[in-house]
Amino acid sequence: NAGVTQTPKFRILKIGQSMTLQCTQDMNHNYMYWYRQDPGMGLKLIYYSVGAGITDKGEVPNGYNVSRSTTEDFPLRLELAAPSQTSVYFCASRSQENEQYFGPGTRLTVT
Amino acid sequence: EDQVTQSPEALRLQEGESSSLNCSYTVSGLRGLFWYRQDPGKGPEFLFTLYSAGEEKEKERLKATLTKKESFLHITAPKPEDSATYLCAVQTFSGSARQLTFGSGTQLTVLP
Repeated sequence: NAGVTQTPKFRILKIGQSMTLQCTQDMNHNYMYWYRQDPGMGLKLIYYSVGAGITDKGEVPNGYNVSRSTTEDFPLRLELAAPSQTSVYFCASRSQENEQYFGPGTRLTVT
Repeated sequence: EDQVTQSPEALRLQEGESSSLNCSYTVSGLRGLFWYRQDPGKGPEFLFTLYSAGEEKEKERLKATLTKKESFLHITAPKPEDSATYLCAVQTFSGSARQLTFGSGTQLTVLP
């Protein structure tokens, strides 16, 4: 039972580069979320999706983009990476019982 | 704006020394309060959801309680394997996607 998987685990980007963080869940959950976690801070919501083809902004969406073409996948795109995007990124999905399940995270450094 | 404050930021306990972690919240309308455990380098792991004041949930050495202003996570006779960061989060009726607003966590260390 894989749950929520994320790739890559680690990545170092140079300022101005772009990348896509991958997230896949195998639980057939409609709701999916992207959070970022900075040291000593709580998780902040970047984007969310309530189902395939439907996405919306969270609390800190600037500099990011998402798409949701299937129920399983919810990639997060960083365009023109900046040092302020250095963080740990978590993807999550929500069950019918209202529990959010998190992936293992992607640690991103922008230098 | 919804706010979640956790205290203390860090807590060191001896094995067997019971204590409580606090999560106070200010929200427009609470749908649910969630507790998560996060180990270093891992994603948060769901522990409990509480929906109404007076509700309590238990799991092994952990018990979560909820009032109208705050929640407590009680840890009874902790063991070193309980060492982790414990995160509290709220879900409100105004969130269209039932998203969570997190506190910054309490880092718990249990010494053998």
